[in-house]
Amino acid sequence: ETGVTQSPTHLIKTRGQQVTLRCSSQSGHNTVSWYQQALGQGPQFIFQYYREEENGRGNFPPRFSGLQFPNYSSELNVNALELDDSALYLCASSLNKRRGNEQFFGPGTRLTVL
Amino acid sequence: DAKTTQPPSMDCAEGRAANLPCNHSTISGNEYVYWYRQIHSQGPQYIIHGLKNNETNEMASLIITEDRKSSTLILPHATLRDTAVYYCIVSPNAGNMLTFGGGTRLMVKP
Repeated sequence: ETGVTQSPTHLIKTRGQQVTLRCSSQSGHNTVSWYQQALGQGPQFIFQYYREEENGRGNFPPRFSGLQFPNYSSELNVNALELDDSALYLCASSLNKRRGNEQFFGPGTRLTVL
Repeated sequence: DAKTTQPPSMDCAEGRAANLPCNHSTISGNEYVYWYRQIHSQGPQYIIHGLKNNETNEMASLIITEDRKSSTLILPHATLRDTAVYYCIVSPNAGNMLTFGGGTRLMVKP
C-alpha cells in the first residue's frame, strides 16, 4: 500500500462524454503525476502538477486537463472521449526533490469508452 | 530522454537470483537509472534508482557499469510474488516524469 488512492475504480463512458478521475496523494507529497496505460503497454506520462501548477506535460491533446488542490489532491479531466481513451489511468505522488524522486503509484482507474 | 532496451521476457526459478539487464547506451551524465515493477492489475512499484554507484536496498541491488551504458537489477532470492513486469527507466528530470518502455516480463517458477 502506497497511501495513494484513486476513485472511481472502474468507469464506463460513451464516446463524446466527459470524465473526471480523482487522486489523493500520499501525506506530505506536493507533486502529482498522471499516466495513461493502454492494455499491454507501459504507462505513458500525461502531465504533472506541483503546488497547483502544471509542471510538465507529455504528448497528450488539450482535452486532457487537470487540477491540483491546496491539499495536493488532484483531478484528471478528459473531454470529448474517444474509443482510444480506454485505458488504466494511474496517478503517482512524490516530493519534488532536485534529484532521485521515488514515485508512489495508486491502483488506477480503469476507464472503458464505448 | 535516453532510450532503454530490455528483453521482453525472462524466467527464473524460485529461490534463485533474478538478473534483469537493461541497455541505455545514450544515457547522459545527469540522468538517473530507475527501476519499477508492475504486478498484474496494480500500479507500478518503485524498486531502486542509481546514478553511478551500485545501490542496494531491501528489495534489490542495482549494478551500473562504469561507462553507465547498461545496468542490471538483481533480485537475490526470487519468490513467486516477484512475478511482474520490470521497467528500466532513464530520467533526466529527477524521476518525476517517467518514460516507460515495454519492460521485461519476469516469470518466477516453482
